[in-house]
Amino acid sequence: GEDVEQSLFLSVREGDSSVINCTYTDSSSTYLYWYKQEPGAGLQLLTYIFSNMDMKQDQRLTVLLNKKDKHLSLRIADTQTGDSAIYFCAETLPSYIPTFGRGTSLIVHP
Amino acid sequence: KAGVTQTPRYLIKTRGQQVTLSCSPISGHRSVSWYQQTPGQGLQFLFEYFSETQRNKGNFPGRFSGRQFSNSRSEMNVSTLELGDSALYLCASSLGGLAESSYEQYFGPGTRLTVT
Repeated sequence: GEDVEQSLFLSVREGDSSVINCTYTDSSSTYLYWYKQEPGAGLQLLTYIFSNMDMKQDQRLTVLLNKKDKHLSLRIADTQTGDSAIYFCAETLPSYIPTFGRGTSLIVHP
Repeated sequence: KAGVTQTPRYLIKTRGQQVTLSCSPISGHRSVSWYQQTPGQGLQFLFEYFSETQRNKGNFPGRFSGRQFSNSRSEMNVSTLELGDSALYLCASSLGGLAESSYEQYFGPGTRLTVT
């Protein structure tokens, strides 16, 4: 398909790891991003990965990129209730226009 | 450093009216991009302004327009409002533009527009 695809919901228990998956559209995308949106707020850039990288780690966040399958994932270690939010993946097309997925609602319960 | 600010935060308009939304970027940022977020279509790119020039444009009708001032503040205008224009309008600023080799966008809280 032509859209950046994400599953709509993910529910995890506090302290577990969360893995949010995304399939993007364009193999020539240069940057791939993960954003977080909390209720009533704009998007917060969490991390991004350049297309020539396979993995990037930033504290509790790990991004994995599989270019062959055009698959991007975000792993959040030791998930906390404050991580409950909507997570968007996005790609930058060769035209430099960003394309976003529909977002994955992460629900963290005690 | 102050973040991206958008005014107003909430707005109610009637079909056929026009509306102007404002965005003040982070100090020193020269690029402002606008996005529309709706439950049905998700987050869609409207346009990007860099140094007062529109550099990129998404797939929206001509009723959606914008401009950027010399202090990098940007306005977005929607004319002849339709019910489907009800959305959260987000702006984002970045130091360089979307065409730079790397960038980080910082989003404002958005303006919630309701068209009745």
